[in-house]
Amino acid sequence: AQKVTQAQTEISVVEKEDVTLDCVYETRDTTYYLFWYKQPPSGELVFLIRRNSFDEQNEISGRYSWNFQKSTSSFNFTITASQVVDSAVYFCALSEGLGYALNFGKGTSLLVTP
Amino acid sequence: DAGVIQSPRHEVTEMGQEVTLRCKPISGHNSLFWYRQTMMRGLELLIYFNNNVPIDDSGMPEDRFSAKMPNASFSTLKIQPSEPRDSAVYFCASSSLTARDRVYGNTIYFGEGSWLTVV
Repeated sequence: AQKVTQAQTEISVVEKEDVTLDCVYETRDTTYYLFWYKQPPSGELVFLIRRNSFDEQNEISGRYSWNFQKSTSSFNFTITASQVVDSAVYFCALSEGLGYALNFGKGTSLLVTP
Repeated sequence: DAGVIQSPRHEVTEMGQEVTLRCKPISGHNSLFWYRQTMMRGLELLIYFNNNVPIDDSGMPEDRFSAKMPNASFSTLKIQPSEPRDSAVYFCASSSLTARDRVYGNTIYFGEGSWLTVV
């Protein structure tokens, strides 16, 4: 069975601090896909990134970066120089294959204060 | 392109009433998902369809819930009779399998959600 654990329920940082959101997953599949979504206070779910199990290359997109490590079954998300607009709930998710649904973690609520 | 469109955005209904939530997936997408979000349980998959065929409905709470996808551009989630514990945000999502998706995985795009309150 698949499982996604986001151990950090809530994180509070001051603007311009760096923050890392942890995601640990469990799966028996050799092929799987990992995702991060952002849910701002307005409630919609916004896709941020996807990564397949064969690609452990880290990715950077502006202030966002992702560290995928199969050895520790982790797919962590770092926001550099956080901003108030980054305040949201962030979800990590796992899919066991093409055309399959996402299994979400419980989410990490990030609050960035001025 | 228009995103996933859900209606109604907000619904308040009395216990025992029938509730129908509607979803129009992104044009060309061949997978459709219904999720429910609550504080206690987080984001739960209720059911999903591939090419209009239900693939996994193990997340549907009980017989009071039913979902249909009569064609590629429309789906409904019905609750009859509704109960206060059904109060939640219901998200519809869709995805497709492009050539890129076959390498990197299919991205699932979500609608803005239907906020249901059963009193």
